[in-house]
Amino acid sequence: GENVEQHPSTLSVQEGDSAVIKCTYSDSASNYFPWYKQELGKRPQLIIDIRSNVGEKKDQRIAVTLNKTAKHFSLHITETQPEDSAVYFCAATLRSGGYQKVTFGTGTKLQVIP
Amino acid sequence: DTEVTQTPKHLVMGMTNKKSLKCEQHMGHRAMYWYKQKAKKPPELMFVYSYEKLSINESVPSRFSPECPNSSLLNLHLHALQPEDSALYLCASSSGVFTGELFFGEGSRLTVL
Repeated sequence: GENVEQHPSTLSVQEGDSAVIKCTYSDSASNYFPWYKQELGKRPQLIIDIRSNVGEKKDQRIAVTLNKTAKHFSLHITETQPEDSAVYFCAATLRSGGYQKVTFGTGTKLQVIP
Repeated sequence: DTEVTQTPKHLVMGMTNKKSLKCEQHMGHRAMYWYKQKAKKPPELMFVYSYEKLSINESVPSRFSPECPNSSLLNLHLHALQPEDSALYLCASSSGVFTGELFFGEGSRLTVL
């Protein structure tokens, strides 16, 4: 089955600095890569995603890159703010029939220090 | 309506109790999921229903019994649980038509005494 590794497990940055989280996946058939942000006690929420036919996607301060050949993808957050503090999960998705088989990374706890 | 609604938000039960978690969505999604999440861990897939049929059971113990009465509802029946089953149980749905995001409910926080 799919295996997703995520690094680092914790990340502390000063407010205004950039944060980068990296993930690798094992199954070349995975074709959709979402990133979820989860604040303490709340549900995971999609913040950005990328499909396998795209190399890069940007949404304001957040960007994601995908290297299909190397099977890795990364999340970049620029100009970090205290409200960016949360746990971030990458995921690799395999579509099978009428559903998505989503494998999550182990998570990165991001702390933005004011 | 882009919400997945889960009830109850909190549940405390003894090891001999029988209870159920409920999940509802009205987005017309044909795939629904149950995930279990322990503290500081990623969501862990338990079950997937696609078009109201059980498509994946990730070797979940039989004390957890899923049910999909119709395309909008998903239940998780709980019986004879163990303290280690205490966790946040997340329901999610997806359109199932094309590769797309999971929409998560707020979760049901379960404590087994």
